[in-house]
Amino acid sequence: ETGVTQSPTHLIKTRGQQVTLRCSSQSGHNTVSWYQQALGQGPQFIFQYYREEENGRGNFPPRFSGLQFPNYSSELNVNALELDDSALYLCASTQMGGGYTFGSGTRLTVV
Amino acid sequence: AQRVTQPEKLLSVFKGAPVELKCNYSYSGSPELFWYVQYSRQRLQLLLRHISRESIKGFTADLNKGETSFHLKKPFAQEEDSAMYYCALTEVIQGAQKLVFGQGTRLTINP
Repeated sequence: ETGVTQSPTHLIKTRGQQVTLRCSSQSGHNTVSWYQQALGQGPQFIFQYYREEENGRGNFPPRFSGLQFPNYSSELNVNALELDDSALYLCASTQMGGGYTFGSGTRLTVV
Repeated sequence: AQRVTQPEKLLSVFKGAPVELKCNYSYSGSPELFWYVQYSRQRLQLLLRHISRESIKGFTADLNKGETSFHLKKPFAQEEDSAMYYCALTEVIQGAQKLVFGQGTRLTINP
């Protein structure tokens, strides 16, 4: 049974650029959630995808968008990067009603 | 909005001493509560959830609805317990089930 894998592990981008982060969900999990974890804070919910549709969103602007593919893997896209977007981005997969399995995260630095 | 508060950012105890990590929450209804742990250089992982009432690695947590608390306890701390601990609850938003995390408590067990 494979866990949740995220890529890349680290990334440095310039303010105003766009970034795509990737996540492969755990085998058998059909739901993927993305979280942003700023330094010294707990993870904050960005959105969740189920059956390739976004079915819930936290307090993040529309420049944060995502996709889920038929194999349940997912992407997080962030446009017009701002300095405050620097954070650890976590992906978590689950079966509806089940426990969450987290990936190791992507550390994004915006300069 | 639902909220999870962990009042201690840092907690340091000696090996063999009892440990209590505090967690308070605000939630309308019956919450589902969790403790997650992140060991150094490892991913976030589930430690325990209140509905299972299991004891994991010697840790227990009791849900006190009157005090809206879900404190994590262990009678005798071990050095390998040093880690970052997050209290969390689930909230349903727009059909998605999301985790709401506290800010976390860094636990250090001194030899």
